[in-house]
Amino acid sequence: DSGVTQTPKHLITATGQRVTLRCSPRSGDLSVYWYQQSLDQGLQFLIQYYNGEERAKGNILERFSAQQFPDLHSELNLSSLELGDSALYFCASSATGTRGAEQFFGPGTRLTVL
Amino acid sequence: EDQVTQSPEALRLQEGESSSLNCSYTVSGLRGLFWYRQDPGKGPEFLFTLYSAGEEKEKERLKATLTKKESFLHITAPKPEDSATYLCAVQGEGAQKLVFGQGTRLTINP
Repeated sequence: DSGVTQTPKHLITATGQRVTLRCSPRSGDLSVYWYQQSLDQGLQFLIQYYNGEERAKGNILERFSAQQFPDLHSELNLSSLELGDSALYFCASSATGTRGAEQFFGPGTRLTVL
Repeated sequence: EDQVTQSPEALRLQEGESSSLNCSYTVSGLRGLFWYRQDPGKGPEFLFTLYSAGEEKEKERLKATLTKKESFLHITAPKPEDSATYLCAVQGEGAQKLVFGQGTRLTINP
């Protein structure tokens, strides 16, 4: 158990809908990262938040947005869903540091868009 | 742009048959190279961080090594429970995101 929690575990929805994925980082970790994992693309970085502020963006679609709340939990919002958005979505957290800090991953949310 | 290539894509071994997985990388200033294990439908599980060429880390039957261009994950006398996908990722200078390779799917037959 990494200490990172994600809900829900599974989500099935229809095209055009909007969903929210939730993540709680490990106790004490200020950074939260979101990654998407699909069969053809592998694990792709979407976005990072640090202590409530957006820190870095990857290949995140404009239909997707995220935020980190004062209690440090984070939500990833996916709207106008398309079939191609079906994937595993992982949240990871890390402590701060000047050298490469390990990221610890949650169990993921499997999104299926029908 | 940071890139990671892992080989082979899949590897099937007999229990007790040692081998190595390769991770080749290009990065602008390496902050860290990370190895993860991922079981089907689960989140990646952290194994090792390597920071500089020549560094080695060990955990049970696994040993990770690092050069300036690649990393190896050596698995000694593997057991069926070592079957998983092994992911390599790099973190470049000035960035905190991880760039992952496609992984090596390892199967250990009893």
